[in-house]
Order: sequence, then C-alpha cells, then structure tokens
Amino acid sequence: GAVVSQHPSWVICKSGTSVKIECRSLDFQATTMFWYRQFPKQSLMLMATSNEGSKATYEQGVEKDKFLINHASLTLSTLTVTSAHPEDSSFYICSARDRTGPDTQYFGPGTRLTVL
Amino acid sequence: AQSVTQPDIHITVSEGASLELRCNYSYGATPYLFWYVQSPGQGLQLLLKYFSGDTLVQGIKGFEAEFKRSQSSFNLRKPSVHWSDAAEYFCAVGAREYGNKLVFGAGTILRVKS
Repeated sequence: GAVVSQHPSWVICKSGTSVKIECRSLDFQATTMFWYRQFPKQSLMLMATSNEGSKATYEQGVEKDKFLINHASLTLSTLTVTSAHPEDSSFYICSARDRTGPDTQYFGPGTRLTVL
Repeated sequence: AQSVTQPDIHITVSEGASLELRCNYSYGATPYLFWYVQSPGQGLQLLLKYFSGDTLVQGIKGFEAEFKRSQSSFNLRKPSVHWSDAAEYFCAVGAREYGNKLVFGAGTILRVKS
C-alpha cells in the first residue's frame, strides 16, 4: 500500500517551453501533496504544499507563477514548470500525505527535468 | 528555526558489519521523526517513523531507530549490513504545528565494501 507514482520519469525540453509533471496517489486519498526539488548531491528542498481544492502554498523564494500547482482531485496533483530555462533542470519529487493513519508522507519516484 | 543535522556525509562499512547513522534535530514542537532511503535516480522509500510511544522503532529491511529526547537524536541502526543497503539515507522531521512539512537532513551516503 501507500504507492505514489509520477509521470513522466524523465523529460527533456527546449528552453521557453512548459512541462507538466503528474503526481498520483494510487491506493489512498491524499488531501495534501508536497513538491520538492533536489539538486545533484543535495537534500530535498520543499517547493510548495498542494491542497486539494484550494491554492497551493509556496515556500519562500519559490516563484508561484513559474511553478504552477494544481490539485484537482484527492489522488492527483500536477506541477507545471512554465517557460522553462536551463536553471530549472533538476530532479522533482512529489509526496502524498496519508491521513488514514499517523501522518506520513509517501514519495513518488521523481522526475528528471532537463532543459536545453 | 527547525533544522536537522546528519553529521556524516559518507560512511563506508564492510558487508556484515553493524551500522549506525546519526541524526540530530532542533525543533520547536513535538517532532515526528522519519528515516528515508534513496537509491540513485529514485524517489524516497520510508524505512521507519516515530510519532510517540516506544522510543525504539523497527522498520523495514532490518533497520531500527531510537528516539532520545534528551539528546535530540534519532539514530538509525542495522546489526548486519548487506551490499544492497548501499544508498543515501535521509533523516526528516515534521510536526503538526508546522503543517506536517518535513525538514530534511543533508543525507548520508552509505557505501558497503565486500
């Protein structure tokens, strides 16, 4: 149980284009999902908290117009990197919070974004 | 401010030897504590968690961790390491008072030598 998927697992795009990453909780409902960014050889940095049916909450320094988050259902959150640039290249990981038991975040497998 | 410290960036142990990965935290609330493992290019897998109760918690893959409130520590242990345990390990802390957001340590890379 508690499986989270991400799609795509990797994506290469041209500078200036937009990329959408999906995060799904497969066997539980997640009213809250989190989006993280991980640079090579570094830890995870929280970008934003995604709440079903409401606006996302962004961490300080994260551009909300750059990283659009939509959490339209209890099992799906999407992160759209708009007008991507090479500095947006990174590993993006989502997590979903399972509220059926003690609050625990379960992580997706990550999405490797490379912007050329 | 909340912070998590994993003092060891790299650790190398021989296969079959015991392992202890250190984690210290500074938190202004009653913490929830987690250990996750990440293989290269992969997401994070939950090894174990502590919310309350018995301070020694058992996890998957033979791992355990002990919460010591007096030392603000949550060290991860395994009595006998296997080559497949080579990965990066992250300690994380959260609290309901902070919206259950997780603060991660910098990670410890475990290398296992045969």
